[in-house]
Amino acid sequence: AQSVTQPDIHITVSEGASLELRCNYSYGATPYLFWYVQSPGQGLQLLLKYFSGDTLVQGIKGFEAEFKRSQSSFNLRKPSVHWSDAAEYFCAAPSYSGAGSYQLTFGKGTKLSVIP
Amino acid sequence: DVKVTQSSRYLVKRTGEKVFLECVQDMDHENMFWYRQDPGLGLRLIYFSYDVKMKEKGDIPEGYSVSREKKERFSLILESASTNQTSMYLCASLDRTGKGANTEAFFGQGTRLTVV
Repeated sequence: AQSVTQPDIHITVSEGASLELRCNYSYGATPYLFWYVQSPGQGLQLLLKYFSGDTLVQGIKGFEAEFKRSQSSFNLRKPSVHWSDAAEYFCAAPSYSGAGSYQLTFGKGTKLSVIP
Repeated sequence: DVKVTQSSRYLVKRTGEKVFLECVQDMDHENMFWYRQDPGLGLRLIYFSYDVKMKEKGDIPEGYSVSREKKERFSLILESASTNQTSMYLCASLDRTGKGANTEAFFGQGTRLTVV
């Protein structure tokens, strides 16, 4: 089964600094990968997704992620963090569940704090 | 605009009560999911459904059941609520576009359930 690992539980950055959140996946074939963001008290919102093609994916809110097969990684980046980016971020991958259905497997999440 | 609606944002129930959490999506999606979210544990899949009247156990189904009588509605049932079921519950709807695992999940706002 697909698994997704986010090694960092909590990251703190200063406003204006760059950001990289790590995600590693375990799957032999080319995976489909997602990053979601959850603001406090809210549901999850899709930031970006990778299916195939260009390994650098652009998302909303100025985020991007790079798929690196050699490292089994799909790290999320932002060149300059804003205070409103403080949230929890989840990496996810779908896995086939049989009977034409799919489920999403999530990493445990990385909480981002931003220092003004 | 796509929408997944959970019937309650906050619920307080007593131990032993039967609890119903409702989720409705208006996107004609086949797949629907219930997750619970706890600090440090990320999102854990309780149950999912890939069609009307079809259901599959996720990673933590014990103490829960589900119902999917109509495509747009997926209900989570706590047969006899216990304090260890105090958690944030998230419903998701999955759009399977194209072939294979070309999926994008949309989430409700979450229901914060407290069992006392």
